[in-house]
Amino acid sequence: KQEVTQIPAALSVPEGENLVLNCSFTDSAIYNLQWFRQDPGKGLTSLLLIQSSQREQTSGRLNASLDKSSGRSTLYIAASQPGDSATYLCAVRSLGNQFYFGTGTSLTVIP
Amino acid sequence: GAGVSQSPSNKVTEKGKDVELRCDPISGHTALYWYRQSLGQGLEFLIYFQGNSAPDKSGLPSDRFSAERTGGSVSTLTIQRTQQEDSAVYLCASSLFTLASGNTIYFGEGSWLTVV
Repeated sequence: KQEVTQIPAALSVPEGENLVLNCSFTDSAIYNLQWFRQDPGKGLTSLLLIQSSQREQTSGRLNASLDKSSGRSTLYIAASQPGDSATYLCAVRSLGNQFYFGTGTSLTVIP
Repeated sequence: GAGVSQSPSNKVTEKGKDVELRCDPISGHTALYWYRQSLGQGLEFLIYFQGNSAPDKSGLPSDRFSAERTGGSVSTLTIQRTQQEDSAVYLCASSLFTLASGNTIYFGEGSWLTVV
């Protein structure tokens, strides 16, 4: 069964810093990997989706990479802002059309 | 609809009562997922529908939990004889199912269930 791990579980940085969130998965047979943001009391908002054949995707200050063979993905956030404070989750879509989620990284950006 | 819609958004119920949670997926999305998230925890998979059938219901925690989907659209998750440990937010998501790999999953805002 696919297992998804996110490190660190929590991260606190001063405003303006660049940061990296990590996601690892045990089974490389995936369709895609997706990064989500979850604000307190809210559902999940999709940030970036990387197909299994791709290496990275960029959206604004966000850049996500995928190394399928090693089972790793990173989410890079440039010039962090207090509004980036949230929980970030990664999810892999298996070939059985199931999504497996990590437990998330709780990010706090200090003004 | 424009997004995944869930109702009720909040539900407080007494222990032992039955509850029904509803999910209206994005129009045309054939895949529908139910997840549960307890306070401070990650997402726990409950059940997955492809059309009206459920190829994977392995996550349902007990026989008190059941779900159905009709017309390939709306789904209801029913919890019978609720227990306090059922208190959580129940998240529904939908996705367009094709043989291609590239489809995003979209989430609703969740139904917050409190069992007292």
